[in-house]
Amino acid sequence: DIVMTQTPLSSPVTLGQPASISCRSSQSLVHSDGNTYLSWLHQRPGQPPRLLIYKISNRFSGVPDRFSGSGAGTDFTLNISRVEAEDVGVYYCMQATHSFSFGGGTKVEIK
Amino acid sequence: EVQLVESGGGLVKPGGSLRLSCAASGFTFSTYSMTWVRQAPGKGLEWVSSITSTNRHPDYADSVKGRFTISKDSARNSLYLQMNYLRAEDTAVYYCARVFGDTSGWWGIDYWGQGTLVTVSS
Repeated sequence: DIVMTQTPLSSPVTLGQPASISCRSSQSLVHSDGNTYLSWLHQRPGQPPRLLIYKISNRFSGVPDRFSGSGAGTDFTLNISRVEAEDVGVYYCMQATHSFSFGGGTKVEIK
Repeated sequence: EVQLVESGGGLVKPGGSLRLSCAASGFTFSTYSMTWVRQAPGKGLEWVSSITSTNRHPDYADSVKGRFTISKDSARNSLYLQMNYLRAEDTAVYYCARVFGDTSGWWGIDYWGQGTLVTVSS
């Protein structure tokens, strides 16, 4: 089973400032078809998760361009260029290369 | 608009059974693989089970293998999760979600339901 590890566990940020979340997988997420199926999800309190980024860096429909993803192999990053109040919540990385598994989550809160 | 509505959650005693349902609308259900993901109170997300668009090749997390059964009824646009021999550690919100991808494989999970709470307690 692939273990996904996120850092930090919590990230206090100032409105308008950037934020960055890291995710590391226990083995390469490169699929036999050459693609890497790493996604980022956002969950607000009391709500289901929603998809932000898929295949490392592709923004899902309706996701603002202040969200961007990068990385390769086993190391990935989600960046928020300028944090807005609606961005608070927990962010999860998820891999779909070998079945599914999730990172433990990173809580983003406003300072 | 894609909609996924779960039902069937509730309180059940350890060792008991429960069947979750997920009603799908807003997309061609028969052409999508589907999955169940759960979230224990105050905890992170845990993948539970997935099934292909044609109701074949079910896959399960080790924690539920042999106790849970996933199925898909495209005539009813519904996804199910039969849960037997429930344990306290199965207590969680269970989300029904849509898998997206192409003929080569699954890319990820794009739409989620609101979830249904399952509580296993005596």
